[in-house]
Amino acid sequence: QVQLVESGGGLVKPGGSLRLSCAASGFTFTNYYMSWIRQAPGKGLEWVSYISTTGSTIYYADSVKGRFTISRDNAENSLYLQMNSLRAEDTAVYYCARDQYSSGWYSDYWGQGTLVTVSS
Amino acid sequence: QSVLTQPPSVSGAPGQRVTISCTGSSSNIGAGYDVHWYQQLPGTAPKLLIYGNTNRPSGVPDRFSGSKSGTSASLAITGLQAEDEADYYCQSYDSSLTGWVFGGGTKLTVL
Repeated sequence: QVQLVESGGGLVKPGGSLRLSCAASGFTFTNYYMSWIRQAPGKGLEWVSYISTTGSTIYYADSVKGRFTISRDNAENSLYLQMNSLRAEDTAVYYCARDQYSSGWYSDYWGQGTLVTVSS
Repeated sequence: QSVLTQPPSVSGAPGQRVTISCTGSSSNIGAGYDVHWYQQLPGTAPKLLIYGNTNRPSGVPDRFSGSKSGTSASLAITGLQAEDEADYYCQSYDSSLTGWVFGGGTKLTVL
């Protein structure tokens, strides 16, 4: 069965950095685009970034562009999100998700999420 | 402010039918991009409910259905059950933002 397990969240000071990881199993990782989607406490969902199967196509939300970097290691079946220059408004649960295409992209499987708290 | 607009809340009694609207614009839903719906039960990760406007993944009851017209889409839930109480989100792609967009979410309360 498809499993996505995020890790790396925690408490970090404003301006600090954090690297999130997502371990994928139960499917052929190299065949799928992957995304990071976040949810601030008590708020709705916000798409953060997605990456193509080879990493050659990457997009970011304007809110994180220039500060966050998505990457993947297909040999390790892993997805990453390097987060720099963190701000209080980046506080959220970060979900890793597997993407599918049907006249537009959507996520058919989500991890359980990892909480990132940016606070002094 | 979300790019896609959903009502903050809807409610219905067990067995009733409710609908949740999702309104976009000419750069997303109106541009022909599909709408997808997710269900988020309290304290859990979102789960795909409807993809490609009208399609249900395996295991999703046929009480859930989706539709799309113009710059809007709707999720309908018939035969409401207590376990349907959750937050529901619509999602599409926006060509001007070059990325995915979500609705603000709708909290469904089963009375």
